[in-house]
Amino acid sequence: EVQLVESGGGLVRPGGSLRLSCVVSGFTFSSNDMHWVRQRPGKGLEWVSGVSTVGDTYYADSVRGRFTISRENAKSSLYLQMNSLRGEDTAVYYCTGGMSGWVYWGQGTLVTVSS
Amino acid sequence: QSVLTQPPSTSGTPGQRVTISCSGSSSNIGGNYVYWYQHLPGTAPNLLIHTNNQRPSGVPDRFSGSKSGTSASLAISGLRSEDEGDYYCATWDDSLRGHVFGTGTQVTVL
Repeated sequence: EVQLVESGGGLVRPGGSLRLSCVVSGFTFSSNDMHWVRQRPGKGLEWVSGVSTVGDTYYADSVRGRFTISRENAKSSLYLQMNSLRGEDTAVYYCTGGMSGWVYWGQGTLVTVSS
Repeated sequence: QSVLTQPPSTSGTPGQRVTISCSGSSSNIGGNYVYWYQHLPGTAPNLLIHTNNQRPSGVPDRFSGSKSGTSASLAISGLRSEDEGDYYCATWDDSLRGHVFGTGTQVTVL
């Protein structure tokens, strides 16, 4: 059974930091590009960042310079280091991946940025 | 706002066919594969269509995708109550150097 389990979400003050983690099982993590996608309250899906199987990283303009994506294949884990958080970063963050489309998804972790 | 434009909503009665459009440009849909995701309330998104028109295993053949030029479409035939939710197109954008989702379309089954 494929499982993607996100953790690390919570309440943080503006300007603060959080590190999201996603532990994967049930498919070959190292063979898949992985991504973070978020959904702000009342809004649509938004791609945040991605990392290829060889470690190339990509970011949405809205988070570039503040967020850092990384992966640790030995632990089948994906990470998102989020710094300088803003109110508009409040969202449910999903871990996702797959070879032909993002077929694997976690259940999401809620990040709330508020004072 | 997104570079991929979808209608905000569409609706149909059970058994009807509905289509959802996704309009982009040469830097995204025009030169890259299109994907479609279903996002039902309280669940994780679900991949419906990959590579413009291919269904992953387990996705009913009621769902079909197509692409022409800088636009794409998702069709849902034999509409069912469990199809109610939000639908998003997605692709890579060469100019933005990132993935993009469409604005999303809410499907209502009357």
